[in-house]
Amino acid sequence: AQSVAQPEDQVNVAEGNPLTVKCTYSVSGNPYLFWYVQYPNRGLQFLLKYITGDNLVKGSYGFEAEFNKSQTSFHLKKPSALVSDSALYFCAVRDIGLGGNKLTFGTGTQLKVEL
Amino acid sequence: NAGVMQNPRHLVRRRGQEARLRCSPMKGHSHVYWYRQLPEEGLKFMVYLQKENIIDESGMPKERFSAEFPKEGPSILRIQQVVRGDSAAYFCASSASSAIYEQYFGPGTRLTVT
Repeated sequence: AQSVAQPEDQVNVAEGNPLTVKCTYSVSGNPYLFWYVQYPNRGLQFLLKYITGDNLVKGSYGFEAEFNKSQTSFHLKKPSALVSDSALYFCAVRDIGLGGNKLTFGTGTQLKVEL
Repeated sequence: NAGVMQNPRHLVRRRGQEARLRCSPMKGHSHVYWYRQLPEEGLKFMVYLQKENIIDESGMPKERFSAEFPKEGPSILRIQQVVRGDSAAYFCASSASSAIYEQYFGPGTRLTVT
């Protein structure tokens, strides 16, 4: 079965500093990877995806993610964090089940950006 | 450009009652997914439906839970005889097709069982 792991429950960063939220994956076959963000009492918002192609994927709100096949990682990054980026971030992988389109999520990483 | 709509946003039920959660996918989307988020946990897949068909229900509890996506109208997640352990946030997502891999999520229904 496909799985993703987010090793950090929480990441703290100062506004203006670069941020990284870590994700590693375990899949059979080619990985289809995603990042979503969840604000309090809201649904998940799609940020970006890796299907194939360039290892550096650019997404919404200035976020990007780096796919690293040798390290089986898909870390989310942003060059300069904003206080408004504070939220819960989920990494996910497309799980090839019946019909092949369900997402398996990590446990989430709470990002806190402070002034 | 309405996104995925879910209602109600909050639902309180007493133990033993039925809960019905509704989901209207984004315009043009015919694939619907239901996920459950228990307190302090990530999202867990429950069921994947297309119009009038259940494609994958591998994440659905064997009893009391059912889902449908009729030809007309919203998708419904139905929980019969709710128990306290059913208290969670239930999210619906939709996609345009199985080849469009990203799913777009609704705001969720927060079910509280008292």
